[in-house]
Amino acid sequence: EVQLVESGGGLVKPGGSLRLSCAVSGFTFSTYTMNWVRQAPGKGLEWVSSISSSSSYIYYADSVKGRFTISRDNAKNSLYLQMNSLRAEDTAVYYCARETYCSTPNCPLDYWGQGALATVSS
Amino acid sequence: DIQMTQSPSSLSASVGDRVTITCRASQSISTYLSWYQQQPRKAPQLLIHAASSLQSGVPSRFSGSGSGTDFTLTISSLQPDDFATYYCQQTYSTPPTFGQGTKVEIK
Repeated sequence: EVQLVESGGGLVKPGGSLRLSCAVSGFTFSTYTMNWVRQAPGKGLEWVSSISSSSSYIYYADSVKGRFTISRDNAKNSLYLQMNSLRAEDTAVYYCARETYCSTPNCPLDYWGQGALATVSS
Repeated sequence: DIQMTQSPSSLSASVGDRVTITCRASQSISTYLSWYQQQPRKAPQLLIHAASSLQSGVPSRFSGSGSGTDFTLTISSLQPDDFATYYCQQTYSTPPTFGQGTKVEIK
């Protein structure tokens, strides 16, 4: 069974940092591109970042570029999101999600974690 | 960035109704369009990819169509589990943008 489990969310002050983790099981993690997608309270989905299977290709939304860093450890079957210089508008549930295989640079997201809530407030 | 616009933003329908949701892209995306369902307090689930391909395990009452800039998600006979929010997403270019969502509520 495919499982993705996020952790590391919490309350942080503006300007602070958080590191989210996503532990995966049930599939060969090292062969899949992974994504982070967030959802602010009561709002829609916003793509945040993606990382290819070997970490060769990394992309960010403009809204987080220069502040967030995505990474992965294929030996530990884990995905990470280091979030620095956090702002109130970064408050959201953060989902890790697996991309399907496809022929384009971006592919549909076929498995999602349950989400981790990051709250940025003084 | 490619903008995705869904309509309507919300709708009310009854069990058994046929429901149609529209998604429009700000430029042509061929058929690089996916649909997701998000039930309250749950993670999104992939329903349809490549505009019209049903994801494994998704009931056949869901169908998708379209290409270029205009796409449609249809639920042929609405079931109680289908009251949720639906999102389209383009995967034609980076960033892979989502529509704002369509909430399907019980009439």
